[in-house]
Amino acid sequence: AQSVTQLDSHVSVSEGTPVLLRCNYSSSYSPSLFWYVQHPNKGLQLLLKYTSAATLVKGINGFEAEFKKSETSFHLTKPSAHMSDAAEYFCVVRAYSGNTPLVFGKGTRLSVIA
Amino acid sequence: DAGVIQSPRHEVTEMGQEVTLRCKPISGHNSLFWYRQTMMRGLELLIYFNNNVPIDDSGMPEDRFSAKMPNASFSTLKIQPSEPRDSAVYFCASSSGTGWEQYFGPGTRLTVT
Repeated sequence: AQSVTQLDSHVSVSEGTPVLLRCNYSSSYSPSLFWYVQHPNKGLQLLLKYTSAATLVKGINGFEAEFKKSETSFHLTKPSAHMSDAAEYFCVVRAYSGNTPLVFGKGTRLSVIA
Repeated sequence: DAGVIQSPRHEVTEMGQEVTLRCKPISGHNSLFWYRQTMMRGLELLIYFNNNVPIDDSGMPEDRFSAKMPNASFSTLKIQPSEPRDSAVYFCASSSGTGWEQYFGPGTRLTVT
């Protein structure tokens, strides 16, 4: 079965410092992985996706993620945090069985301090 | 593209009333998903359709909940009768295939008093 584990429920960074949101996955198949962002009182927005092409994936708003098969990780990074990055971030893996096509992590809340 | 459209954006109703939430998926997408999000339970998949056919409704909490997709451009989620514990944000999402990235609507915030 496919699953994702977001290793931190809450991350706090200062504005202008790097962001690292950690995600480990489990998949019986070559995985398709996604990161979504949800700003307060908004819907979920796709940040980026990995579908077995380049291992370093660039997304919107300066975010990127690196697929590391040996570590079963798909961490999300950004070189310099902005106040507008404060939101909830979800790591997601495609499921090939079970009752849901995509399996969502529990989310990591990112706080950005001025 | 206008994205996924949901209506209403906010709904306040009294316990026992019928509630109908509506969704228009992105044109050309053939999969549609209904989710519920609460602080306590996070994001839960309720039901999803592929080519207008319900594929899995195991996430629907009970018989008070029902969903339909009469055509490729419209779906409804109905709660009858509503209860205070149904208060949540309900999201609709669509995708071009069941395993591909989903695009979410802005959600309907439901409050049942």
